[in-house]
Amino acid sequence: GESVGLHLPTLSVQEGDNSIINCAYSNSASDYFIWYKQESGKGPQFIIDIRSNMDKRQGQRVTVLLNKTVKHLSLQIAATQPGDSAVYFCAASNDYKLSFGAGTTVTVRA
Amino acid sequence: DTAVSQTPKYLVTQMGNDKSIKCEQNLGHDTMYWYKQDSKKFLKIMFSYNNKELIINETVPNRFSPKSPDKAHLNLHINSLELGDSAVYFCASSQTGTAPTDTGELFFGEGSRLTVL
Repeated sequence: GESVGLHLPTLSVQEGDNSIINCAYSNSASDYFIWYKQESGKGPQFIIDIRSNMDKRQGQRVTVLLNKTVKHLSLQIAATQPGDSAVYFCAASNDYKLSFGAGTTVTVRA
Repeated sequence: DTAVSQTPKYLVTQMGNDKSIKCEQNLGHDTMYWYKQDSKKFLKIMFSYNNKELIINETVPNRFSPKSPDKAHLNLHINSLELGDSAVYFCASSQTGTAPTDTGELFFGEGSRLTVL
């Protein structure tokens, strides 16, 4: 199976600063990873994904880093904005199943 | 147009009752899922159907019975509801990738909040 965990349940960030959310996974056979954002009262929404043959992928204001050696991935958000306040989940895909971590609640301070 | 829609959005019911949650996706995906999110926001997979066939059935009580009449629909029926069933239930869909175990990106519905009194 797969166990996915985030390092911090909450993160408070000053508006304009960069945010880093960390995640660890247990199964070295996991080959696809996704970060999701969940706003209050809504379903999780895709932010960015990365496959196991890559170690970095950039999107708009977001970067995902994958370290397969230590089974760790992180999500970096540049110039955090109030609209970035949400719960962030990392997920790892293995054996037809996407397993989610517990979520990190990001609060952006004005 | 909503890609993954589930109904009802809210459901309040008494212990012991039977209830259903419906889900439909208009993305043409071949795989649909049910996830349960508890009060601590932990998302746990319950079931997965690929082309109407059950491929994942986690350790869920058999009071929960999914039904997939076609590729675009996956309904969840729950018998004899218990207090511990209170949660938000999310339906999701994906198009499986070319890699054997690749789920592809999951698209989620808005969730159905079930409260059992």
